[in-house]
Amino acid sequence: GAVVSQHPSWVICKSGTSVKIECRSLDFQATTMFWYRQFPKQSLMLMATSNEGSKATYEQGVEKDKFLINHASLTLSTLTVTSAHPEDSSFYICSANSGGVYGYTFGSGTRLTVV
Amino acid sequence: DQQVKQNSPSLSVQEGRISILNCDYTNSMFDYFLWYKKYPAEGPTFLISISSIKDKNEDGRFTVFLNKSAKHLSLHIVPSQPGDSAVYFCAASASGGYQKVTFGTGTKLQVIP
Repeated sequence: GAVVSQHPSWVICKSGTSVKIECRSLDFQATTMFWYRQFPKQSLMLMATSNEGSKATYEQGVEKDKFLINHASLTLSTLTVTSAHPEDSSFYICSANSGGVYGYTFGSGTRLTVV
Repeated sequence: DQQVKQNSPSLSVQEGRISILNCDYTNSMFDYFLWYKKYPAEGPTFLISISSIKDKNEDGRFTVFLNKSAKHLSLHIVPSQPGDSAVYFCAASASGGYQKVTFGTGTKLQVIP
């Protein structure tokens, strides 16, 4: 089946620094990828839709200057959390539509802790 | 505005019995529905989906039922196994599944041996 690889699986960074999370579709091309954020005991909230070769579409309330998304190729999208603060600590998950009955395939997620 | 709702945050079922997880939605544009299973600190894993042109889809122990008039769907797991213990998310999208997916709030299922 379709595989989406997300890296790193966990990261700890200091407040004020930036962190980049990568999302790769390994065996299919994805013109569109999605970035989600999950707070403890809450649902997955869509942050933005990443479009290959064009600007990402951000959901209401998501700061586009803080969460930079780049979708430079059909198999790679990156999310950069800039000037991270402790409140940015969360579980970030990417997904891509691999088509067929599987619909959206998700990465394994990234646990970000800002100290 | 929560467009996809799972009103039961948790459910406990005895091993071998049926687990029924419910989901309601409000957006009439949704025409593709999915169920995902999620373990802590992992990404969701696709379980089963259903298009709005159907009212039932079955895959092994998992069956999803869709009631469009009631804007309700349910996931049945029969028989339930301890390995099924996880959080289950209902999700919905429009345009046949090629637009963004909106997730429900999740139901934590515990299957008791």
